[in-house]
Amino acid sequence: GAGVSQSPSNKVTEKGKDVELRCDPISGHTALYWYRQSLGQGLEFLIYFQGNSAPDKSGLPSDRFSAERTGGSVSTLTIQRTQQEDSAVYLCASSRGRVRSPYNSPLHFGNGTRLTVT
Amino acid sequence: DQQVKQNSPSLSVQEGRISILNCDYTNSMFDYFLWYKKYPAEGPTFLISISSIKDKNEDGRFTVFLNKSAKHLSLHIVPSQPGDSAVYFCAASGSGNTGKLIFGQGTTLQVKP
Repeated sequence: GAGVSQSPSNKVTEKGKDVELRCDPISGHTALYWYRQSLGQGLEFLIYFQGNSAPDKSGLPSDRFSAERTGGSVSTLTIQRTQQEDSAVYLCASSRGRVRSPYNSPLHFGNGTRLTVT
Repeated sequence: DQQVKQNSPSLSVQEGRISILNCDYTNSMFDYFLWYKKYPAEGPTFLISISSIKDKNEDGRFTVFLNKSAKHLSLHIVPSQPGDSAVYFCAASGSGNTGKLIFGQGTTLQVKP
């Protein structure tokens, strides 16, 4: 596709349920990032993939959060036993993945998934 | 710890005037800085960037200035247009080699006609 695609665009779930958020990056982009934006906050880094491996998971808030990427393309972010504080917009971004050159390979973001935990 | 800070949550400017958005950082290892623009219900879009070896980068109405000694950068938009009204995020990269960006909290710019 022409851009990063995320689904669903909106998700309302009950506290304690599991949710899966999907990201389709731009074709050919090897680097993929998950961020989240809570109400009134900036973008908080969650996890980075290079190909199918995740060398940086330092932003995952707890062990309830996990992510995987298959075929060097689609990524899924899973939140188990959701809590109300998980409510946020979850943003996925991809880039060509040229190491240490975000100047020439900026991140391209999707429109996000708005997650509401009731 | 907030490594990238945008201390002004909002800014209001008259159309045609200059908008100046500010950003401060604490990590001297950052070597690239970027500005992203975000409209409601959309993802952030890349606007302009600057390498730490430069002190200015210009692209049309947008200019980014970097003051390394002060660990400060700013985005100038001139002349400002109503379509520029959005949330602007400052971001930094370079601590590690993942291309990961550290974002500020954002500044909401309103350009009044």
